[in-house]
Amino acid sequence: AQKVTQAQTEISVVEKEDVTLDCVYETRDTTYYLFWYKQPPSGELVFLIRRNSFDEQNEISGRYSWNFQKSTSSFNFTITASQVVDSAVYFCALSGSGGYQKVTFGTGTKLQVIP
Amino acid sequence: NAGVTQTPKFQVLKTGQSMTLQCAQDMNHEYMSWYRQDPGMGLRLIHYSVGAGITDQGEVPNGYNVSRSTTEDFPLRLLSAAPSQTSVYFCASSYSSRRLVQAEAFFGQGTRLTVV
Repeated sequence: AQKVTQAQTEISVVEKEDVTLDCVYETRDTTYYLFWYKQPPSGELVFLIRRNSFDEQNEISGRYSWNFQKSTSSFNFTITASQVVDSAVYFCALSGSGGYQKVTFGTGTKLQVIP
Repeated sequence: NAGVTQTPKFQVLKTGQSMTLQCAQDMNHEYMSWYRQDPGMGLRLIHYSVGAGITDQGEVPNGYNVSRSTTEDFPLRLLSAAPSQTSVYFCASSYSSRRLVQAEAFFGQGTRLTVV
């Protein structure tokens, strides 16, 4: 069975602070994919990143960066110099590979960036 | 390009009523799914479809029916609404990637359902 744990329920930071959202996963699959989605206050779910289990390179996209460590089964998300527009719920998710795969979502981390 | 369209955006039902949540996608995606989002629970899979005419149960299927007669449409039916079905419902679609990359899900805007 797959499991995704986002232990941080809510985080508040002051604008321009850096913040890291933790994600720990469990799976028996040797090939799997990890995702992050953002859900702003307007409610829609926005895809941010996909990472497969064979690619442990860190990724940076502007102020966003992701750290994937298979040794600790973690896929953490860091926002540098946070902005008010980053306030949202962030979901980490896990799926297998090949054909249709059920996606297991974490319970989400609500980030509030205070101006 | 509309993506995934869900209707209605908001709905209030009385216990025992039935209704259908509509979902349509215009991306020719093979896979479609319904999720419910409840506080502290993340998103949980209700039903999914891997193509027209093919559906299967997810994690929390009880009280819901689906069908998929076309690639584009994947309606979710509540047979006899109960207060426990008060939730935000998301429809999602994704594609089968020939590049052996697991595709991300494209989500609709969600339907906020309240059962009283």
